[in-house]
Amino acid sequence: RKEVEQDPGPFNVPEGATVAFNCTYSNSASQSFFWYRQDCRKEPKLLMSVYSSGNEDGRFTAQLNRASQYISLLIRDSKLSDSATYLCVVAPGAGSYQLTFGKGTKLSVIP
Amino acid sequence: NAGVTQTPKFQVLKTGQSMTLQCAQDMNHNSMYWYRQDPGMGLRLIYYSASEGTTDKGEVPNGYNVSRLNKREFSLRLESAAPSQTSVYFCASSEGGDSELFFGEGSRLTVL
Repeated sequence: RKEVEQDPGPFNVPEGATVAFNCTYSNSASQSFFWYRQDCRKEPKLLMSVYSSGNEDGRFTAQLNRASQYISLLIRDSKLSDSATYLCVVAPGAGSYQLTFGKGTKLSVIP
Repeated sequence: NAGVTQTPKFQVLKTGQSMTLQCAQDMNHNSMYWYRQDPGMGLRLIYYSASEGTTDKGEVPNGYNVSRLNKREFSLRLESAAPSQTSVYFCASSEGGDSELFFGEGSRLTVL
């Protein structure tokens, strides 16, 4: 089983739609979780960290399910500008330098 | 506000040639990293430097060397380039550990 797995997509959704991505991880000892966003031919940028209690930032909601070893990202009211690849990132331990990146899920928001 | 700057942005090499990718950050971060990104593979860690004076191997270190020149600069060297090293290389920095990574714009390397 790969360490961090994501559905590669692409997810093609109309503007205003709600879309959800899941990411599973294999290391049950993983401590920290993140979602990064990467625009085409650009560098990744942190979208949000994922906390045990779940967290929300505007239209974005991230949740962690430790029992099932997955994290999710929910985007509400999709905008054209949300079109990007979303990378799931997992740290194997607290303070670990060797983050594991998923291959990414591509989202295209269509007018 | 430059953040993380890496050079060159594009490079074409012939098999066996050597080159160095340069990276500098102006955020006073302790930790710096080199990743490569290939289609269908995601980002993979080549080397990292947790703090000035230290370097450690990541997931795919073979064929690469690094130097943490000072707190600001972290270079990646290919001694004898191979076609398998054709990739997009990203330098990143962070305050440390599993903190937010700040990436440079990437360096696209083609080895013929």
